[in-house]
Amino acid sequence: EPEVTQTPSHQVTQMGQEVILRCVPISNHLYFYWYRQILGQKVEFLVSFYNNEISEKSEIFDDQFSVERPDGSNFTLKIRSTKLEDSAMYFCASSPGGSGANVLTFGAGSRLTVL
Amino acid sequence: AQKVTQAQTEISVVEKEDVTLDCVYETRDTTYYLFWYKQPPSGELVFLIRRNSFDEQNEISGRYSWNFQKSTSSFNFTITASQVVDSAVYFCALSDLINNAGNMLTFGGGTRLMVKP
Repeated sequence: EPEVTQTPSHQVTQMGQEVILRCVPISNHLYFYWYRQILGQKVEFLVSFYNNEISEKSEIFDDQFSVERPDGSNFTLKIRSTKLEDSAMYFCASSPGGSGANVLTFGAGSRLTVL
Repeated sequence: AQKVTQAQTEISVVEKEDVTLDCVYETRDTTYYLFWYKQPPSGELVFLIRRNSFDEQNEISGRYSWNFQKSTSSFNFTITASQVVDSAVYFCALSDLINNAGNMLTFGGGTRLMVKP
């Protein structure tokens, strides 16, 4: 069964460092997303990406965050200068077009620890 | 604004018991979609079901069943004859109309289900 793959599974970084989380969505999907889950809390929407641009973003997704789909297969989330409160599990997801557009397939997550 | 409330933060049952996970939602939209996702200990989010607001029929899939009641804004999930492998965090989520602007899911806080042998 097609899946969304994410790397790394776990990254530890120092506060102020830049981090890039990578995702390979399902190949024929059209919509791409990043969500995050702070330990023990709810899953929160960060950003959605469609047709090579951001389609929606939340208040969490400030200027420190950016997304890119550089080569038509990878979908990346960059955090420019990490803060302690960025420590969380980051989930990438993708969905197809049409009536299935809001049925998201999630990756296994990338756990980010900021020290 | 959309909101999803899962009042039960943690439920513990013994194997073979039935268990119901509650979900209450708020939305101003007349067309919307409700979801359940499972997050096993390995951490990934696994899609279980999607229902649209026009379809209030209950759904059964094996040991899983879902009860959607618009009158009480609830979308409850029942596991019959629970098994240890059902132990996970279960999230209810809400999405508005499917559109090209993105299909954001609003998640509830999750219910951690522990099934003991």
